[in-house]
Amino acid sequence: SAVISQKPSRDICQRGTSLTIQCQVDSQVTMMFWYRQQPGQSLTLIATANQGSEATYESGFVIDKFPISRPNLTFSTLTVSNMSPEDSSIYLCSARANVYTEAFFGQGTRLTVV
Amino acid sequence: AQKVTQAQTEISVVEKEDVTLDCVYETRDTTYYLFWYKQPPSGELVFLIRRNSFDEQNEISGRYSWNFQKSTSSFNFTITASQVVDSAVYFCALSGDNYGQNFVFGPGTRLSVLP
Repeated sequence: SAVISQKPSRDICQRGTSLTIQCQVDSQVTMMFWYRQQPGQSLTLIATANQGSEATYESGFVIDKFPISRPNLTFSTLTVSNMSPEDSSIYLCSARANVYTEAFFGQGTRLTVV
Repeated sequence: AQKVTQAQTEISVVEKEDVTLDCVYETRDTTYYLFWYKQPPSGELVFLIRRNSFDEQNEISGRYSWNFQKSTSSFNFTITASQVVDSAVYFCALSGDNYGQNFVFGPGTRLSVLP
């Protein structure tokens, strides 16, 4: 199993500002993902973080709003840019060794935009 | 397209009752993987089980058991003798076997176990 450390665990931010969330995995993984989970809802995939190349975004999510970096096989960041109250949510980092295995999740970042 | 349905939005049981959480999936892939995750009030997603599409054996782990039936595209989860600590949101998820393919999560079932 993989242990995923995600920080910050929570933050309250002013609208119009940006927040960068960090995700560190304790082992090398081929796949890393970023999800958003709004209160009482299921998980929605934002993007797949590709090592050494641009992230692959899901419909409804764009790079200008959610830039993602993945400089190596164990680390990724997600930035939530120009935040509005609608961005208030839980953001989760996920890692998966390969397509045959389960995914592991960080503890999440609870973001509130005021 | 892949889809996961969890028809039960919320379930309440009294401690020590058995409870079954339903999961129905749709996929055109011949090889796929099914998962169950638990999300307690603390918010962290806890992996419970993975099942491959070519392995229809049911599985039991302590008080937990899973019934996988390809004929009905279902992967149901039963908790025997439920406990208050089982209170959580449970997600069923589906993944294909193509590289980079992500999970499709069901909407979740909120289980409340009352003392």
